[in-house]
Amino acid sequence: QLQLQESGPRLVKPSETLSLTCTVSGGSINTEFYDWGWIRQPPGKGPEWIGSIHYSGNTYYNPSLKSRVTMSLEASKNQLSLILTSVTAADTAVYYCARQGVVEPNAIVTFGNWGRGILVTVSS
Amino acid sequence: EVVMTQSPATLSVSPGETATLSCRASQSVSSNLAWYQQKPGQAPRLLIYGAYTRATGTPVRFSGSGSGTEFTLTISSLQSADFAIYFCQQYNAWPPIFTFGPGTKVDLK
Repeated sequence: QLQLQESGPRLVKPSETLSLTCTVSGGSINTEFYDWGWIRQPPGKGPEWIGSIHYSGNTYYNPSLKSRVTMSLEASKNQLSLILTSVTAADTAVYYCARQGVVEPNAIVTFGNWGRGILVTVSS
Repeated sequence: EVVMTQSPATLSVSPGETATLSCRASQSVSSNLAWYQQKPGQAPRLLIYGAYTRATGTPVRFSGSGSGTEFTLTISSLQSADFAIYFCQQYNAWPPIFTFGPGTKVDLK
């Protein structure tokens, strides 16, 4: 059974960098059949897609965050990572990693497997 | 960017009744629309994709309809396990920007 687990600091200071890791078990991230995504959800609000990454390293980012986001994969550890720079209070949210459909035109890109999420608070 | 809106924000329903939730896209997303259920402290769970296709494990009392800009999720014979927040998500845009709605909370009347 596929499981995803987010980890990282739960408190980040304004202007600093948020770094999260997602460890995947029960399946390999090195697959052509799925992409891997990061989604965040501010308290009391709807989810926001941050970006997606394919095992080939191909990435797609939300344009609203693109200048501050970097996603990567480490196949040997079956992990994906998220870096978000220059954070502000507006970046406070629960951050999820998820397995999703491959990002390509006319594809079904839904988020079928999610981690439990990690609440990251940006505060001094 | 395709903006998703949902109505109502909160829907109060009694067990056994039918709940009808609406989702609207700011421009056509064809049938590239999914619905998720989220319970407190949990991640969203995929219920429906392609506007009306149930994901594995989704009970038949959940049904989706619509295309273009107007979509509906109907929950028939509501059960206690169905009290949750429901989000819609479009995946039509290219280059990809996947957007979610703000959600509809279904609670106990």
